[in-house]
Amino acid sequence: DTGVSQDPRHKITKRGQNVTFRCDPISEHNRLYWYRQTLGQGPEFLTYFQNEAQLEKSRLLSDRFSAERPKGSFSTLEIQRTEQGDSAMYLCASSLAAGRYEQYFGPGTRLTVT
Amino acid sequence: DQQVKQNSPSLSVQEGRISILNCDYTNSMFDYFLWYKKYPAEGPTFLISISSIKDKNEDGRFTVFLNKSAKHLSLHIVPSQPGDSAVYFCAARMYNNNDMRFGAGTRLTVKP
Repeated sequence: DTGVSQDPRHKITKRGQNVTFRCDPISEHNRLYWYRQTLGQGPEFLTYFQNEAQLEKSRLLSDRFSAERPKGSFSTLEIQRTEQGDSAMYLCASSLAAGRYEQYFGPGTRLTVT
Repeated sequence: DQQVKQNSPSLSVQEGRISILNCDYTNSMFDYFLWYKKYPAEGPTFLISISSIKDKNEDGRFTVFLNKSAKHLSLHIVPSQPGDSAVYFCAARMYNNNDMRFGAGTRLTVKP
């Protein structure tokens, strides 16, 4: 399977705990994106990497959120001191370089904060 | 700020008929538009796109129409099949901007 993969698929955590999600993009894609999707809404852009450089961050990405892509391949999204409002589906997507606008999404990680 | 709107949360059509999903946007700087399809427990899957320099793009049973003056686009599926039943998201972006804005989605149900 050469699509975008995400791990874990589901995460239940208690408020105040830290969580980390992983995304493995399509291997030849150098752009990687994180989105958040809540019930009844479309995905909302969080941040974007080109290779290992984090080039854009949405104002939705509070200080408790941090994302990395250390070697320009897989990426991690960490949420510190989780809050109930963080409960959502976290989607990762990847795309080729400039000129190719289609982003290919992974299956998502569903986070539930209790 | 809801820059991309899909005002119909659901649509039901009979197999073999046409499905028309609508999308409106407010930001005139958007120049590229995409439709994604999402099945339960899966991420969105790219379906079809259109650049603002065009008013129509066709791919098999799927056609996207863009009316820039009305800031409106639509996705036509002809003929509709039960396997098309999914949530369809409209998305838009500006040139050289990776902040893609999505609508809230329309759930399409195609009845056999």
